Amino acid sequence: GNSVTQMEGPVTLSEEAFLTINCTYTATGYPSLFWYVQYPGEGLQLLLKATKADDKGSNKGFEATYRKETTSFHLEKGSVQVSDSAVYFCALSVPWTISNFGNEKLTFGTGTRLTIIP
Amino acid sequence: DAGVIQSPRHEVTEMGQEVTLRCKPISGHNSLFWYRQTMMRGLELLIYFNNNVPIDDSGMPEDRFSAKMPNASFSTLKIQPSEPRDSAVYFCASSLGRGTVLNTGELFFGEGSRLTVL
Repeated sequence: GNSVTQMEGPVTLSEEAFLTINCTYTATGYPSLFWYVQYPGEGLQLLLKATKADDKGSNKGFEATYRKETTSFHLEKGSVQVSDSAVYFCALSVPWTISNFGNEKLTFGTGTRLTIIP
Repeated sequence: DAGVIQSPRHEVTEMGQEVTLRCKPISGHNSLFWYRQTMMRGLELLIYFNNNVPIDDSGMPEDRFSAKMPNASFSTLKIQPSEPRDSAVYFCASSLGRGTVLNTGELFFGEGSRLTVL
């Protein structure tokens, strides 16, 4: 089956520090990979995505590269800000196709709570 | 464009009462998902629909929970009778759905309905 394993939190960093949140996956078929972010009191929103191997997703200074050889999609940011404090979820989806009958459900990791200290 | 709209945003009720949560997906999206989020269990998929038909309800906790999607623009999640352990944030999400070439599996979440059962 499909699964996502991401770094346990919470993670606390100082402002301007470098951030890495690890994510590895197991999937049948050819998954799309996502990072979602949830700010306090809000729903999840897509941060970035990659749909095939070696793709790099990027948004708001965050980046993640789809590494098929290591089945990873680690989230990175060079210099974090207080406003980046949130919970980050790694997720995968194997979109439905006629050939793979893939289940389009998104499989989420457990989430990593990130707190940035001024 | 309007996103996924959920109501109510907050609901406080007493044990034994019926609770109905509502969701309007993004126009043109064919798949709709109900998730529950708690501190203990994280994000759990309860049920998802494709073209208004329930595809996978294996996450529905028990018979007290039911979900309907009478048309493409509306869904409800009902809990009857409610119990304190049902207290959580319930998210609705939608996506382009099966067989859509552009579908990468990305979900669009509503802001959630926070349920408190006393």
